Parts: sequence; structure tokens; C-alpha cells
Amino acid sequence: GAVVSQHPSWVICKSGTSVKIECRSLDFQATTMFWYRQFPKQSLMLMATSNEGSKATYEQGVEKDKFLINHASLTLSTLTVTSAHPEDSSFYICSAYRTLRNTEAFFGQGTRLTVV
Amino acid sequence: DQQVKQNSPSLSVQEGRISILNCDYTNSMFDYFLWYKKYPAEGPTFLISISSIKDKNEDGRFTVFLNKSAKHLSLHIVPSQPGDSAVYFCAASSGYNFNKFYFGSGTKLNVKP
Repeated sequence: GAVVSQHPSWVICKSGTSVKIECRSLDFQATTMFWYRQFPKQSLMLMATSNEGSKATYEQGVEKDKFLINHASLTLSTLTVTSAHPEDSSFYICSAYRTLRNTEAFFGQGTRLTVV
Repeated sequence: DQQVKQNSPSLSVQEGRISILNCDYTNSMFDYFLWYKKYPAEGPTFLISISSIKDKNEDGRFTVFLNKSAKHLSLHIVPSQPGDSAVYFCAASSGYNFNKFYFGSGTKLNVKP
């Protein structure tokens, strides 16, 4: 079964509104989670590293005020897309690691965001 | 600038034959590589990995080859099965930040019965 749960799986929102996406590790604690974004026919692009109890680390070119990340507990990280615009429409996906071994990476099922 | 590239967006193979998916990278600091498989409406699932100290890793029908000098890796699936039809992503990371992966754009594999 899934060990990383992402919610919602899809969302449609109006321009100017904010949308929150949740990423939960179901049976393990994750001090670090990663948020990715994928445009159609393009690669998964790492947006930011979410660290429990501290500020997220953003990749170059990703607006931290636009994409708010909160990792308030060892099992939950949230990504909030603020003042959404149609160009924010994309597939957002998170990952978490059960251990420090690379092979223990698990992904959520992703969230399809459509801004109208 | 994309550091991991999969230049073939799609591949079609007959059931029972070999599927070869290719991946190139530009960052010489990458020393750990993964292949992920993704079905529609699901998140990627881990398939196989390889460390830069090896040039080959095998797991059942799946074999990954790494050519460090060419900065190239490939995934071989033998024999291919219809259930292998999915999008395959390669990903790379460096020892400095080993949990931070960079992904290719994916190759959609279609295995025809």
C-alpha cells in the first residue's frame, strides 16, 4: 500500500485564490520531504526541500513567497500555492524517505492543479 | 538547464523482446542513479538503482548499465511484458546531497502483446 499520501489528487481553483496540498508519510517519520512540479511532457523539477521544524530550501527560480512550504510535523508537509495563476497549473508531487538510503524514496500520487 | 535528459519521449516494443531506455546526464558530480516507473494517476515507484562504483546492476528482468565516461545510463528490460507499459524516469543525485534527485523527462514505454 501507499506509504506517502498526497491530498487532494486534483483541484480546480480560480485565479487569485490559494490552494494547499498535503503530503503525509503514513507509517514512518520523515524529517525531509521534497516537492516536485511537472509540466506536460517535461521532467519532474525539484521545487524545494521541506525540512521538519525549519525553513524550506528552495531551488533556484522558485518563488518562496509564491509556494509556501510548511513541515510542521514529522509526518506532514504542506505546499500552498498562493494567489494562483493559470501558469501555475501543473502536476505537483512530493516524496519522502523512510531512511537515509536513497532506495527508500516513496512518492505521493501527485496533485493535478488547474487554475481557471 | 536540464541536468538529466531522456531524449526519447516514447518507445514501442513487442512483447518478449528487449526494451532499452536511455538516459544522459551532464553533472559529473552525480554518483547515484535511479530508475522510476510511473503509471497514469499514480506516483513514481522505485525500480532499480546503481551507484557510480558499479557499471551494471541487475534485478530480475531489469538491468541498469552505467557508462561514467559517456555520462550515460540505460535500462534494459528482458523480456518485455505488456504490464511494463508505463512512463520510466531516470533520476540522479550526488553524494553531497544524496537525497536530492534530478529527473529526466521520462520515456513512455508501450509493450505490445
